[in-house]
Amino acid sequence: GQQVMQIPQYQHVQEGEDFTTYCNSSTTLSNIQWYKQRPGGHPVFLIQLVKSGEVKKQKRLTFQFGEAKKNSSLHITATQTTDVGTYFCAGYNFNKFYFGSGTKLNVKP
Amino acid sequence: DADVTQTPRNRITKTGKRIMLECSQTKGHDRMYWYRQDPGLGLRLIYYSFDVKDINKGEISDGYSVSRQAQAKFSLSLESAIPNQTALYFCATSQMGGDTQYFGPGTRLTVL
Repeated sequence: GQQVMQIPQYQHVQEGEDFTTYCNSSTTLSNIQWYKQRPGGHPVFLIQLVKSGEVKKQKRLTFQFGEAKKNSSLHITATQTTDVGTYFCAGYNFNKFYFGSGTKLNVKP
Repeated sequence: DADVTQTPRNRITKTGKRIMLECSQTKGHDRMYWYRQDPGLGLRLIYYSFDVKDINKGEISDGYSVSRQAQAKFSLSLESAIPNQTALYFCATSQMGGDTQYFGPGTRLTVL
């Protein structure tokens, strides 16, 4: 069945270091979304990627969608303590979203 | 988002009890979803509904049932709760398939 794998599960960084999380799908996706969940909170939408090879930026965050539309990455440049949380990718196919298991980011000040 | 509300926010119940989790939305979206979150497993889809008359099973529907009472309301029931249903449950809505999902604040359920 459809699966979306996400790595790493955890990442601990010093403030100012970069961070990247990766998602891989077992099948081609219609689109992929990224969500952030703060500790004790609910997932909040960050961005959606639709096109093959698409790259989008939001300030220090860079999102990429692979050429085959099966993988995606989120890169944060120069992390800040406000970046703490769990980042999820969600691949859309067959009328459903398939969430990755998430990457929990901890940033030490 | 305040536009998507869930009740109760926390619930402790015993094995074998019936429990209902409720979700309401004021976003006017047709599509509603119930997810379950467990540590290290991300969010898994339980049921989803495209409109009042269209309800579909997700990845992990066994042991759960749903009711779409109106466009704005989508309830999740556990007919006979068991301890491995202890989890954080989220309701979400979207305007169309593949669109942004807006999540409620979650219900933390503990089954003893």
